[in-house]
Amino acid sequence: SQQGEEDPQALSIQEGENATMNCSYKTSINNLQWYRQNSGRGLVHLILIRSNEREKHSGRLRVTLDTSKKSSSLLITASRAADTASYFCATDMNTGFQKLVFGTGTRLLVSP
Amino acid sequence: EADIYQTPRYLVIGTGKKITLECSQTMGHDKMYWYQQDPGMELHLIHYSYGVNSTEKGDLSSESTVSRIRTEHFPLTLESARPSHTSQYLCASSELSGLGENTEAFFGQGTRLTVV
Repeated sequence: SQQGEEDPQALSIQEGENATMNCSYKTSINNLQWYRQNSGRGLVHLILIRSNEREKHSGRLRVTLDTSKKSSSLLITASRAADTASYFCATDMNTGFQKLVFGTGTRLLVSP
Repeated sequence: EADIYQTPRYLVIGTGKKITLECSQTMGHDKMYWYQQDPGMELHLIHYSYGVNSTEKGDLSSESTVSRIRTEHFPLTLESARPSHTSQYLCASSELSGLGENTEAFFGQGTRLTVV
């Protein structure tokens, strides 16, 4: 099964509201990354948080990481209609062969 | 802007045909990946490479094969396409940090394959 699972699977909010997405993973990691995907397109990297970091900010994005619970959250503040997309977490697994494994994704819809 | 390119962007092909999906990057990244994604669904890693002459199978079993003869090029081949291969295929590349960790991955725009 996939390394990462995200919830909720889908989220619908109004512009100006905050959106929170969660990611859980199973094995030890070097870092965790969040990506955005617009419909039918490739993924775009948003933010990377290393295993020894607990919180990171980038513009309206805030990411937290709790390695004891093997979970992360992505908060988008003051959402805009342009934030409508799918959001994925990806874990850089701390195994012999390092590979980037993606979660199941959260589909975010921001209505004007 | 990411310098990783996939061609073709869309492909409709008949059952039994051999196809090659192209992926090229100009960033000099050693690591490259192929993911398969059905519409609205999660990404599944099907192949990855650490560098020239290195290829590994991913978590999802795939009938496709890959090669890495040059750093910048990581093509994916299906010898005999079937309708079950219909999907979106995403190529990505990344590099390792000085600590040996994966840094951000850059993705191509994807190839949407339809086998009829």
